[in-house]
Amino acid sequence: AQRVTQPEKLLSVFKGAPVELKCNYSYSGSPELFWYVQYSRQRLQLLLRHISRESIKGFTADLNKGETSFHLKKPFAQEEDSAMYYCALDLEGGGSNYKLTFGKGTLLTVNP
Amino acid sequence: EADIYQTPRYLVIGTGKKITLECSQTMGHDKMYWYQQDPGMELHLIHYSYGVNSTEKGDLSSESTVSRIRTEHFPLTLESARPSHTSQYLCASSEWTAGELFFGEGSRLTVL
Repeated sequence: AQRVTQPEKLLSVFKGAPVELKCNYSYSGSPELFWYVQYSRQRLQLLLRHISRESIKGFTADLNKGETSFHLKKPFAQEEDSAMYYCALDLEGGGSNYKLTFGKGTLLTVNP
Repeated sequence: EADIYQTPRYLVIGTGKKITLECSQTMGHDKMYWYQQDPGMELHLIHYSYGVNSTEKGDLSSESTVSRIRTEHFPLTLESARPSHTSQYLCASSEWTAGELFFGEGSRLTVL
């Protein structure tokens, strides 16, 4: 069963425009969610996690349990934000052991 | 800087060959993971380990096997490779309290 859904495979915006990458999840417990990013020719790396409630590189993500969503947002996109973004859900319920399941990813292109 | 290494980066082999994909990390992380990723698809967890002599199968059934004899080393083995094993294999590690996975650069396997 698909636990993490990223409905957009590709997303293209212009520099300075707002961007929202969608992520929906299905999980019966208390979810712990993450966003990972892969820039061109770089490794997959953590962008942010919902429990830290932080803004990284201008990106924020709010967990909405009612809509089971964890959308990633940035008010003003930059060209260097162009990358592959993956939403991930921890299947272990946020204990000390982490086992992440990933969505299919969204390729974000920010045009000049 | 994440210190997790995968070798080989690229491998093309014939059907029936035995192959081992190496993964090593120098961060002293207890937890290590293997993900399989086909082009344009999500990462699928195939094996994980929470410490030495501990290995578990992931969500995606895989004919590969793993071992964890040393903390820093988590090799993946295919006894008899088949074309269906053609994929990218990503190794990752994490600290015991953190949900942040550090990924290697991946091993791209092609079985002819």
